[in-house]
Amino acid sequence: NAGVTQTPKFQVLKTGQSMTLQCAQDMNHEYMSWYRQDPGMGLRLIHYSVGAGITDQGEVPNGYNVSRSTTEDFPLRLLSAAPSQTSVYFCASSSQGDTEAFFGQGTRLTVV
Amino acid sequence: SQELEQSPQSLIVQEGKNLTINCTSSKTLYGLYWYKQKYGEGLIFLMMLQKGGEEKSHEKITAKLDEKKQQSSLHITASQPSHAGIYLCGAALSGYALNFGKGTSLLVTP
Repeated sequence: NAGVTQTPKFQVLKTGQSMTLQCAQDMNHEYMSWYRQDPGMGLRLIHYSVGAGITDQGEVPNGYNVSRSTTEDFPLRLLSAAPSQTSVYFCASSSQGDTEAFFGQGTRLTVV
Repeated sequence: SQELEQSPQSLIVQEGKNLTINCTSSKTLYGLYWYKQKYGEGLIFLMMLQKGGEEKSHEKITAKLDEKKQQSSLHITASQPSHAGIYLCGAALSGYALNFGKGTSLLVTP
């Protein structure tokens, strides 16, 4: 029972580098989302998807791109990393937008 | 914007003591979720409340949703070190993803 799998678990980037955070779920969930967690800020929604081919912006989308070519995968791309993007990133999936969300274990990203 | 307000922001309690965490929204909550996060790990689902006045319990943790469905509380009885972590309330305020409060950090001391 894999659930939601995120890779990598840890990453250090230099300012200006690009990278993709991977997220995959095996529960056939239509809804997937990306959050970032910063101290004292809770979880803030970056981007979300309501199905393959459909994505939209959340609360803090600037600096991030997403795509949803399959139901299973929802990668998050940082095109030009900035120190302000140092955070812990969580991917989540759910069967509906208002049902229990299942979370991955997180990716701890540091931008230097 | 944070549409779910959690209080307190942090809590230090002695082992064996009871504690309560609150989650308040200005909007009617049609589904309120409580999650726990151990430090450095992912989120673990605790409970979901949907109906006004609903109350659910699991082991020593009880969650309630008020009649107006705008406030929820999470109560831990006889706290243990295993209860330590960050507690987050979440709600489907938008309909496409859960919105979360800022979390309550709980530390249980011997």
